[in-house]
Amino acid sequence: AQSVSQHNHHVILSEAASLELGCNYSYGGTVNLFWYVQYPGQHLQLLLKYFSGDPLVKGIKGFEAEFIKSKFSFNLRKPSVQWSDTAEYFCAVTVHTNAGKSTFGDGTTLTVKP
Amino acid sequence: EAGVAQSPRYKIIEKRQSVAFWCNPISGHATLYWYQQILGQGPKLLIQFQNNGVVDDSQLPKDRFSAERLKGVDSTLKIQPAKLEDSAVYLCASSPPRGSPSSYEQYFGPGTRLTVT
Repeated sequence: AQSVSQHNHHVILSEAASLELGCNYSYGGTVNLFWYVQYPGQHLQLLLKYFSGDPLVKGIKGFEAEFIKSKFSFNLRKPSVQWSDTAEYFCAVTVHTNAGKSTFGDGTTLTVKP
Repeated sequence: EAGVAQSPRYKIIEKRQSVAFWCNPISGHATLYWYQQILGQGPKLLIQFQNNGVVDDSQLPKDRFSAERLKGVDSTLKIQPAKLEDSAVYLCASSPPRGSPSSYEQYFGPGTRLTVT
């Protein structure tokens, strides 16, 4: 069965600092990888995704993530965070051979201080 | 495009009572998911429908939880009887049909926050 591990439970940064949130998954086959974000009081929404091709993917609001297959990792990055990036971030993996079943990590809460 | 609708938004019940949640996915979305999200954890998949058929319910506690998706559109999730540990947010999500460019992207509803006392 697949699993997802997010290393940081809570990250606190000042505005303009750089961000990297770790995500590792365990599954040996073909996967799709996602980062979802939940802003305070809002629904979970898609931030970015990796299906195939270029392992560096770009999402909304200046976020990007890099898929490193050899490390089973899909870390999220942003060069300069803003106060409005305060949210909870979830990494998820979907396995094609398992009816598209998705597994989520436990999330990382990001607090950006103004 | 209207989003995923869920009701109720909040529910408080006593243990051993029953409760039902409703979800209406985005029009045209073939896949529907129910997740349980306990405070401090990520969403855990309970059941996944493809149209009106179940494709995964391996983590659904079938002795107390049930779900149906009649006519392949909206869905209900029921808990009977509820336990204290069922206190969580129940999320519904939907995805476009397989074969579309965004077929594995999930669109989430606002969730139902259940408190069992």
